[in-house]
Amino acid sequence: ETGVTQTPRHLVMGMTNKKSLKCEQHLGHNAMYWYKQSAKKPLELMFVYNFKEQTENNSVPSRFSPECPNSSHLFLHLHTLQPEDSALYLCASSQETTDRPQHFGDGTRLSIL
Amino acid sequence: DQQVKQNSPSLSVQEGRISILNCDYTNSMFDYFLWYKKYPAEGPTFLISISSIKDKNEDGRFTVFLNKSAKHLSLHIVPSQPGDSAVYFCAASARSSSNTGKLIFGQGTTLQVKP
Repeated sequence: ETGVTQTPRHLVMGMTNKKSLKCEQHLGHNAMYWYKQSAKKPLELMFVYNFKEQTENNSVPSRFSPECPNSSHLFLHLHTLQPEDSALYLCASSQETTDRPQHFGDGTRLSIL
Repeated sequence: DQQVKQNSPSLSVQEGRISILNCDYTNSMFDYFLWYKKYPAEGPTFLISISSIKDKNEDGRFTVFLNKSAKHLSLHIVPSQPGDSAVYFCAASARSSSNTGKLIFGQGTTLQVKP
């Protein structure tokens, strides 16, 4: 139990579908993150939210739309994805954005048909 | 351009011996470094971190060493146990940037500890 829960664990969707990934943290942290891990590539930061405000968008295509309604919940809304978007999507949280370790969920394995 | 590199994709060690995992970085602005462990079908688990004001941090069987002049850090696991078999990632961040907490990860090293 990491304190960061991601749902669903697996998702298969077509390119025209709309779906959302959900992340919830029970650690009382103030910052939340979305990362992407493609096959044979390092984890890559997508978005950062600090106290519900987006502070980083790492040049992510607009077909990925994050939402952070409060410090405990983070969503990633997906629409019109491409096959190359198939990857493991990881959510993380930390107490602060600097000098604090980020704690990860177990990820959502996304496959785009 | 990869700012954090783990040049050894895999490492095999006998149980009870020392495991040494290495990581190099290129950005001199990095001032906070972390090691994560990842089992299959699980997310990365935080192991240990070190700030650039230190050159060593120890937590039980895990010790991280930082050599700023060489832009190199290493993770030592002593003694190694079969349960340590996993993928190990190093990561780095620069506090002096926009303070967004952006972590840059290496590609990972797969450690196998043989009984």
